[in-house]
Amino acid sequence: AQSVSQHNHHVILSEAASLELGCNYSYGGTVNLFWYVQYPGQHLQLLLKYFSGDPLVKGIKGFEAEFIKSKFSFNLRKPSVQWSDTAEYFCAVNAAESGYSTLTFGKGTMLLVSP
Amino acid sequence: DAGVIQSPRHEVTEMGQEVTLRCKPISGHDYLFWYRQTMMRGLELLIYFNNNVPIDDSGMPEDRFSAKMPNASFSTLKIQPSEPRDSAVYFCASSLDGRSYNEQFFGPGTRLTVL
Repeated sequence: AQSVSQHNHHVILSEAASLELGCNYSYGGTVNLFWYVQYPGQHLQLLLKYFSGDPLVKGIKGFEAEFIKSKFSFNLRKPSVQWSDTAEYFCAVNAAESGYSTLTFGKGTMLLVSP
Repeated sequence: DAGVIQSPRHEVTEMGQEVTLRCKPISGHDYLFWYRQTMMRGLELLIYFNNNVPIDDSGMPEDRFSAKMPNASFSTLKIQPSEPRDSAVYFCASSLDGRSYNEQFFGPGTRLTVL
């Protein structure tokens, strides 16, 4: 079974600061990796995902993430955050082998961006 | 498409009462998921369906919880009798097919409070 660890429960940044949210997973096989975001009062929505190819993945709203297989990591980055990025961010993983594999989510990181 | 629809958005009930949460997945999606989100445990998968058939209910906490999917456009999650520890946000999500890299689309959630 997979597991996901998100390093920080809460992050506070000022606008224009750079962001990096850590995500490590535990699974010995091939994986798909996802970052979801939950804006205040809204549902979870997909920011970006990795399933093959270039390990540097670009998503919506200027976010990107890099899959480093040797480190079992999939950290989320944004060079300059905005107040509107205030949200909870969830990393998720599933197994990419044959057959369906359910998503395992991390506990989430709450990001607060002050104007 | 309107996305995944859940009702009610908020539910407040007293301990011992029956609670029924409802979900309408995105049309054409074969997979439907029920999740529970709490501060302590994060986002947990309770059960998922493929083509209306329950595939894995190992996440359902106990016999008080049951889920059904009578047709492709409707699912229910029932708690009977409800207890205060069931208080959480319950999300429904749907996915197009069984490919593991496919995105899950989440509904807005039902915030359940059991007094």
